[in-house]
Amino acid sequence: EVQLVESGGGLVQPGGSLRLSCAASGFTFGSYGMSWVRQAPGKGLEWVSVISDRSSWTHYADSVKGRFTISRDNSKNTVYLQMNSLRAEDTAVYYCVKHLSGSYCFDYWGQGILVTVSS
Amino acid sequence: QSALTQPASVSGSPGQSITISCTGTSSDVGYYNYVSWYQQHPGKAPKLMIYGVSNRPSGVSNRFSGSKSGNTASLTISGLQAEDEADYYCNSYTSSTTWVFGGGTKLTVL
Repeated sequence: EVQLVESGGGLVQPGGSLRLSCAASGFTFGSYGMSWVRQAPGKGLEWVSVISDRSSWTHYADSVKGRFTISRDNSKNTVYLQMNSLRAEDTAVYYCVKHLSGSYCFDYWGQGILVTVSS
Repeated sequence: QSALTQPASVSGSPGQSITISCTGTSSDVGYYNYVSWYQQHPGKAPKLMIYGVSNRPSGVSNRFSGSKSGNTASLTISGLQAEDEADYYCNSYTSSTTWVFGGGTKLTVL
């Protein structure tokens, strides 16, 4: 059974930093791209960032480019999202998602973790 | 990276069919056949319902179907059931090597 478990969320002040982790199990982690998707309270889904299976490339939404960094450790079956210079508008539930190979979509989602940026 | 356009809400009675549209541009929906649809119940993580415009993952009811014409994709749910009441989001891979979601559609089963 595929499982994605996020951790590292919480309350942070504007301008602060936070690192999210996502521990994966139930599939060959190093063979799949992974993304982060977020959802602000009461709002829709927003794709944030992607990393390829072997970390050869990454891409970001314009809203987080230059502030967020995605990375992964295939030996630990974990993907990370380093979030710097956080703003109030980054407040959201952050989902770790697994890509469906060759189909450019997201077939498994974590339960999500709340990040609140507030003073 | 403008969001894809979906109707804010749709409704239907049990047993009826409804269609949710998702309009993008020639740089996303119209560029690739990489449109997917997600169902989200309140307080839950989204669930993949359709991928590659019209493919259903294993375990998803055949009452759900997808299609695309030009820059507009559509999700059709036939034989509406109470459990289908949820928010639905479309998503497309883009020519900029990013992904974009629609604003979401709230489906109410009357």
